[in-house]
Amino acid sequence: DGGITQSPKYLFRKEGQNVTLSCEQNLNHDAMYWYRQDPGQGLRLIYYSQIVNDFQKGDIAEGYSVSREKKESFPLTVTSAQKNPTAFYLCASSILAGISGELFFGEGSRLTVL
Amino acid sequence: RKEVEQDPGPFNVPEGATVAFNCTYSNSASQSFFWYRQDCRKEPKLLMSVYSSGNEDGRFTAQLNRASQYISLLIRDSKLSDSATYLCVVSDSNSGYALNFGKGTSLLVTP
Repeated sequence: DGGITQSPKYLFRKEGQNVTLSCEQNLNHDAMYWYRQDPGQGLRLIYYSQIVNDFQKGDIAEGYSVSREKKESFPLTVTSAQKNPTAFYLCASSILAGISGELFFGEGSRLTVL
Repeated sequence: RKEVEQDPGPFNVPEGATVAFNCTYSNSASQSFFWYRQDCRKEPKLLMSVYSSGNEDGRFTAQLNRASQYISLLIRDSKLSDSATYLCVVSDSNSGYALNFGKGTSLLVTP
């Protein structure tokens, strides 16, 4: 089955530690995105990538980093510089970059900083 | 920046009721519009796209008014399973056509 796989589903981290969230898609989509959702809030864009080896900052990129070495993969690193990292992180993809279309989401990763 | 605004609700309605959600957006250059549904602690899923001519999918009707920058969603004959948060979503050409999400409107359909 085609889809987006995020891992881990739940993650606990101590303050000061970096953590990397995995996102893999087998939909052959060009564009991939990372969003963050806090309780009672809408989704906010962290980073996006329209093509391999290229990515752009979204609205709240500070304290995060990404890479796009393969079309299928778009991992997100939450660094210790991110002041409030506890959140629900959602990875998404869309079929063509530059055209707004349906976003396909992974099931999300819940990060809790202890 | 508040690009997509929605009434957060909650909307509590009995089964069988008709309920309408509204949404406004600030970027007049936005090209694409959607309603997504999000169940508690789950990822959002596309409910329907919204076209200028309006569109209907079963019990759901979406309307777009570009002049007023306003989008609506009408749900007829509400079912218990319609209980969820409904997200108004608008494209953003400034961010690689990433989608801007409203905070969502919460719907609870009661027996």
